[in-house]
Amino acid sequence: SAVISQKPSRDICQRGTSLTIQCQVDSQVTMMFWYRQQPGQSLTLIATANQGSEATYESGFVIDKFPISRPNLTFSTLTVSNMSPEDSSIYLCSVSNRGLNNEQFFGPGTRLTVL
Amino acid sequence: AQTVTQSQPEMSVQEAETVTLSCTYDTSENNYYLFWYKQPPSRQMILVIRQEAYKQQNATENRFSVNFQKAAKSFSLKISDSQLGDTAMYFCAFITTYGSSNTGKLIFGQGTTLQVKP
Repeated sequence: SAVISQKPSRDICQRGTSLTIQCQVDSQVTMMFWYRQQPGQSLTLIATANQGSEATYESGFVIDKFPISRPNLTFSTLTVSNMSPEDSSIYLCSVSNRGLNNEQFFGPGTRLTVL
Repeated sequence: AQTVTQSQPEMSVQEAETVTLSCTYDTSENNYYLFWYKQPPSRQMILVIRQEAYKQQNATENRFSVNFQKAAKSFSLKISDSQLGDTAMYFCAFITTYGSSNTGKLIFGQGTTLQVKP
């Protein structure tokens, strides 16, 4: 299994600012994903982070609002830009390797509160 | 479209008793995996159990077992001898096996909040 860390674990931000969340894995992985989870709700996929190319965004999510980087096979960042209170959520990173039972491992999440 | 449905938003069970969480899914694919994830108040997502669609035998992991009915597209989770530490939100999830049209994305149900009472 992969060990995943996220920074920060939580933050309180002001409206209109941006926050960058980091996801670090202890081994190389094929795929990395970013999810948003609003309180008491299920997980919504924001995008697939592609190594060396632009992320693949899901419907309703755009690069200008959620820019993603993935410079190598163990690290990715998600930025939440020009934040509003509606962006208050938990943001989770997950990883998987093709061919290994399709299992996804999740990071501990980042709890974001926007005032 | 592929969907996963959990029709029980909340459930409760007495400690040491057995509880079953329901999940149905919809897909036209024949090869896929199904998962149950647990998310305790710490919010860490933990894989509980996995089922490959091509296997007829139901998966078991200690006190956790599934009832996989492929024709009915049903995938329920049974927790035996419930413990206080089982209190969490449980998510059913689906993924097609990797192929030319697969993107490796998990599709989640809405979740079931389970409360184990002492």
